[in-house]
Amino acid sequence: GESVGLHLPTLSVQEGDNSIINCAYSNSASDYFIWYKQESGKGPQFIIDIRSNMDKRQGQRVTVLLNKTVKHLSLQIAATQPGDSAVYFCAVLRGDSWGKLQFGAGTQVVVTP
Amino acid sequence: GAGVSQSPSNKVTEKGKDVELRCDPISGHTALYWYRQSLGQGLEFLIYFQGNSAPDKSGLPSDRFSAERTGGSVSTLTIQRTQQEDSAVYLCASSALDTQYFGPGTRLTVL
Repeated sequence: GESVGLHLPTLSVQEGDNSIINCAYSNSASDYFIWYKQESGKGPQFIIDIRSNMDKRQGQRVTVLLNKTVKHLSLQIAATQPGDSAVYFCAVLRGDSWGKLQFGAGTQVVVTP
Repeated sequence: GAGVSQSPSNKVTEKGKDVELRCDPISGHTALYWYRQSLGQGLEFLIYFQGNSAPDKSGLPSDRFSAERTGGSVSTLTIQRTQQEDSAVYLCASSALDTQYFGPGTRLTVL
């Protein structure tokens, strides 16, 4: 089966600093990876995704890095802002388990002034 | 355009009662998913519909849970004889390709 884990339950970061959120996955057949942001009382919001044929992808202020050798995924947020305070989930999809996203437990990011 | 919508936003029920939760996916999305999120936890897959194919029900926790999708659009998740452990946020998502877009969820509280 698939297990998806996040290394830290809570990340406290000062406004303006960069944030790094990590995620490990267990199944080498995983081929699609997504980061979601969930604010209190809301559903998860898509941030960025990456496929297994890539090792880096950049969006607006966010970068996702994929290391398939060690089955590790990270989300980097540049110049963290108060609006970035939320729970961040990584989710993993296997090509042979279409539709079944496996979610990690989430990392709470707290941005301090 | 409009995102995924869910209703009701909150539902309080008594143990043993049946509940129905509704999901309206993004127009044109062929796939629809239901997840459950317990307090402070990640999302647990429940069921997945893709077009006219038979749904993948492998995540449903018991036979008290069922879901249907009418006309390839709106979906209803039904929980029969609710138990206190069913209390959670039930999230619906839809997708056209890989990326799943989520609704705001229905918070179910079973007293």
